Amino acid sequence: GAVVSQHPSRVICKSGTSVKIECRSLDFQATTMFWYRQFPKQSLMLMATSNEGSKATYEQGVEKDKFLINHASLTLSTLTVTSAHPEDSSFYICSARFASGQETQYFGPGTRLLVL
Amino acid sequence: SQQGEEDPQALSIQEGENATMNCSYKTSINNLQWYRQNSGRGLVHLILIRSNEREKHSGRLRVTLDTSKKSSSLLITASRAADTASYFCATAPDDYKLSFGAGTTVTVRA
Repeated sequence: GAVVSQHPSRVICKSGTSVKIECRSLDFQATTMFWYRQFPKQSLMLMATSNEGSKATYEQGVEKDKFLINHASLTLSTLTVTSAHPEDSSFYICSARFASGQETQYFGPGTRLLVL
Repeated sequence: SQQGEEDPQALSIQEGENATMNCSYKTSINNLQWYRQNSGRGLVHLILIRSNEREKHSGRLRVTLDTSKKSSSLLITASRAADTASYFCATAPDDYKLSFGAGTTVTVRA
């Protein structure tokens, strides 16, 4: 159990286009989902926390107008990278938490974004 | 911001040997978690140790926590080629957010 999927697994796009990444909890309801970014050979950096039915909370330095997050249901959160540029190229990983107070996060397989 | 720092950054061992990596953190925590990441993949949760625990085992994994030194260690015994991966510690201070360390890359040679 506790499977989280991401789609697409990799995407290549032209500079200036927008890219949507989906994160789904397949066998549980996730009240909270998290979006991370990971550059090559580096650690995960939390971008934002997404709670179902409310606005996402962004970490310092993360542009909320650049990285749009929608958590419309208990099993789906989406991250849209708007007007993507080459510096947005990265590995984006989501995670989900069962319910408030649950300590363990379950991670998706990640989405590799390459902006040309 | 990153709170955990892993040591060493990279580790290469022979199959069957033990691998030990350490994690230090800066602020008080509720728990500390270890994750594994295979190249280009997502993270897999390995083990969680709470602030009032000193040692925990799970299969070939042994985790220790010393809150007075703000450090934790992960020991993998009898390593296998499949253990080749990056290992991250993550701390959870007062809330639910995880702060990840830089990771230790472990290579197990056959």
